[in-house]
Amino acid sequence: AQSVTQPDIHITVSEGASLELRCNYSYGATPYLFWYVQSPGQGLQLLLKYFSGDTLVQGIKGFEAEFKRSQSSFNLRKPSVHWSDAAEYFCAVGARNFNKFYFGSGTKLNVKP
Amino acid sequence: DAGVIQSPRHEVTEMGQEVTLRCKPISGHNSLFWYRQTMMRGLELLIYFNNNVPIDDSGMPEDRFSAKMPNASFSTLKIQPSEPRDSAVYFCASGTDELLLAKNIQYFGAGTRLSVL
Repeated sequence: AQSVTQPDIHITVSEGASLELRCNYSYGATPYLFWYVQSPGQGLQLLLKYFSGDTLVQGIKGFEAEFKRSQSSFNLRKPSVHWSDAAEYFCAVGARNFNKFYFGSGTKLNVKP
Repeated sequence: DAGVIQSPRHEVTEMGQEVTLRCKPISGHNSLFWYRQTMMRGLELLIYFNNNVPIDDSGMPEDRFSAKMPNASFSTLKIQPSEPRDSAVYFCASGTDELLLAKNIQYFGAGTRLSVL
């Protein structure tokens, strides 16, 4: 069965520190990959996506993610976190062969001043 | 564009009552999604429309839930009768013009927080 795993439920980083949020998927073929962010009381907003081509993709707000086929991963990174980045982050997978879409369980990011 | 508009933002009702949630998608988007978000189950896709036609309703929990999209600019999610376990945040999202659900870039509304007492 297809699945998306975000192993970290909560992460706390200091402002200015680097960030990496992990995402692994289980799917036989290369999926479509997405990262969304949800601020408190708001809906989700797309940060970036990967469909094909260059495995390092750039997104909004200074985020980037790298698709690693061998590890079935699509980790989200930011070199220097700002307090406004505190939110919940969702990895999502579009399973092209089954035409299904799955969200991970989310990682809540806290930023220490 | 105003984005995806959902109403109401908050709804408090009593068990057994009918609840109707409303959504206005982004103009020009052909796909529409209804999600439910809870602490226990995370974000669940309930139903997906493309060009106003329900394509996949496998996520609708039971017959008490129904969704309609009478035209390209309006959709409703109805729960009748409502139960306390339906308490959740319900999101509507509209998507880019893709026939493939898997490839849609989704734009979310701010959600409706439903509390069933």
